[in-house]
Amino acid sequence: AQSVTQLGSHVSVSEGALVLLRCNYSSSVPPYLFWYVQYPNQGLQLLLKYTSAATLVKGINGFEAEFKKSETSFHLTKPSAHMSDAAEYFCAVGGSQGNLIFGKGTKLSVKP
Amino acid sequence: GAVVSQHPSWVICKSGTSVKIECRSLDFQATTMFWYRQFPKQSLMLMATSNEGSKATYEQGVEKDKFLINHASLTLSTLTVTSAHPEDSSFYICSIRDRSNEQFFGPGTRLTVL
Repeated sequence: AQSVTQLGSHVSVSEGALVLLRCNYSSSVPPYLFWYVQYPNQGLQLLLKYTSAATLVKGINGFEAEFKKSETSFHLTKPSAHMSDAAEYFCAVGGSQGNLIFGKGTKLSVKP
Repeated sequence: GAVVSQHPSWVICKSGTSVKIECRSLDFQATTMFWYRQFPKQSLMLMATSNEGSKATYEQGVEKDKFLINHASLTLSTLTVTSAHPEDSSFYICSIRDRSNEQFFGPGTRLTVL
């Protein structure tokens, strides 16, 4: 069975600082991994996905994530935070039915 | 990517009434749609998988008689919350899966049961 663990329910950074959101997964098969962003009262927007091609995945809005099989991790990073990055971020792994299994989410706050 | 809409975007109803939520795939014929539920400050939890022309597959703990799903066409799936109660208040989100297995989410429906 697949599962996702996001470390830290809330992360706060200063504008311009590095953003690091942690995600570890568990999967019995080669995983498909995703990062989504959710703004208040809105649906989810795909930031990036890993589908067994390049281990360093670049997404929208300057985000990227690196798949590390040895660490079962797929951490999300952005070199320089922007105020507009403040949102909830969800890591997800593809489930056996084609659905997604989500982590509990990390709320990112960006301080001016 | 595919565009998914949901209607209504929010609804307030009295306890005991039924509420229908529509999920439409605007530019893709989706044989499979997914319904998720998100409680405040929590993650999305899969409720059921909606299959066009056949019965939905419900996750453990989700009452199929309470959450009726109809996927009558390739572009429309509906979720009806029957005899809604305050504990059913949540954010309901649908998604579709395209041929590359990428999922596209609707904007969600906020249900508040008084």
